[in-house]
This record gives sequence, C-alpha cells and structure tokens, in this order.
Amino acid sequence: GAVVSQHPSWVICKSGTSVKIECRSLDFQATTMFWYRQFPKQSLMLMATSNEGSKATYEQGVEKDKFLINHASLTLSTLTVTSAHPEDSSFYICSARVLGGGDTEAFFGQGTRLTVV
Amino acid sequence: AQKITQTQPGMFVQEKEAVTLDCTYDTSDQSYGLFWYKQPSSGEMIFLIYQGSYDEQNATEGRYSLNFQKARKSANLVISASQLGDSAMYFCAMRGPAGGTSYGKLTFGQGTILTVHP
Repeated sequence: GAVVSQHPSWVICKSGTSVKIECRSLDFQATTMFWYRQFPKQSLMLMATSNEGSKATYEQGVEKDKFLINHASLTLSTLTVTSAHPEDSSFYICSARVLGGGDTEAFFGQGTRLTVV
Repeated sequence: AQKITQTQPGMFVQEKEAVTLDCTYDTSDQSYGLFWYKQPSSGEMIFLIYQGSYDEQNATEGRYSLNFQKARKSANLVISASQLGDSAMYFCAMRGPAGGTSYGKLTFGQGTILTVHP
C-alpha cells in the first residue's frame, strides 16, 4: 500500500513557540491531504483539507491563523502550530488521497504527539 | 451531513473468541464508503476493512469481516478468534461520494476500546 510519512513523531515545545509538522507521501502523488486532531481517548476530528497549490479549507471552529497549512507540492503538506499553548497539546495525524488511485483505503501518517509546556 | 455512532465505549473478549463492534451511520448520500481502523497505543491508524455502499457482499479481510446492513445503516466489525494483540481502540469511519476537492476526508465515530483477556 501507499506510504505516508509524518515527522516528527513527537515534539515538546515551550508555550509561545511555533511547531511545524510534515506529512509526506513517499511513493505516490497526493493532490489532497487531510489533517486531523485527536485528544486522549477521543475521536479524530478533521481540522482542514489541504489541496496542492491552493489554500487549505478549514473546518468550522479551527483557527486558520493558528494552524497554518501549506501544500506546496504533490508529496508534501505541512501543518504549523503557531504560538502554541498547552491547550494545543494533542495528537495530530495526516492522511492522503492517492491521485488517480483506488478509494478503498485512506492512507495515514504515523501521527505527531505535541506537548506544549 | 454524515454521522457515525459507536455506542460501545469499551468491550472485553476472551482470547480466541469472536467479538462484534457496533457502528451505525447516518447520511443522505447514495454513494459512500465505510472503513474500520485499529489504533494501538502508539497512535498509528491501521486500516482493517472497507465496504462500499454499492457492494452487495459483506467485506472480509482475514479475521475481520464487516456485517453491512444497509437498510439499518449499520456496519458492524466482527473479529474472529481474538488475539491479545487485538487490544486497541477501534474506529468506524465514513467517506462521502466521489467528486470535489474534499473527497477522501473521513468522519469518525467515537471509538471502542477493545480489551482481549488471556
């Protein structure tokens, strides 16, 4: 199956700093990537849809100025958490849609566990 | 709007027995896809099984089968011969119809924590 690589797998940062999370499709092209957030023992909630070469579409209630998404190429999307605060501590995970591929599976990265101290 | 409901916060099963995890969904779309994922404590999302809304037969993948009852809008996951390594969180998810730049995004249920006892 297609491989999505997410980096870093975990990060600890100080309150007020910014953190960048990368999501790469290693062996396929992804016109669309999705960013989810998951709090402990809860479900995955979609934050935004990232389309290559255009602005991301954010879900209601997600601050686009705080969670900056860039999808500059067909294999890379980045999520930057700006001015992070402890309440942003969460598990962030991306998934990618295969360009021209079958749709019987959504491919996920390994996830990033963010802790803001 | 799509909605997925998993009403079992936690389930327990004895090793080597079968277990059914419930999932019901709501959508006005005629075409959709249903997924089950396993999430161990490491956090990765492991794809288990997929069922398309137009698939007439229930999907099966090894020890996993999906009991798809379209009229009742349910898509229960059956795990046969449970193993200790099956202990994890399980999510049911839905994807909407093809078309549009958001195709591929998933709506997830609340999840069910499965514990397999030796």
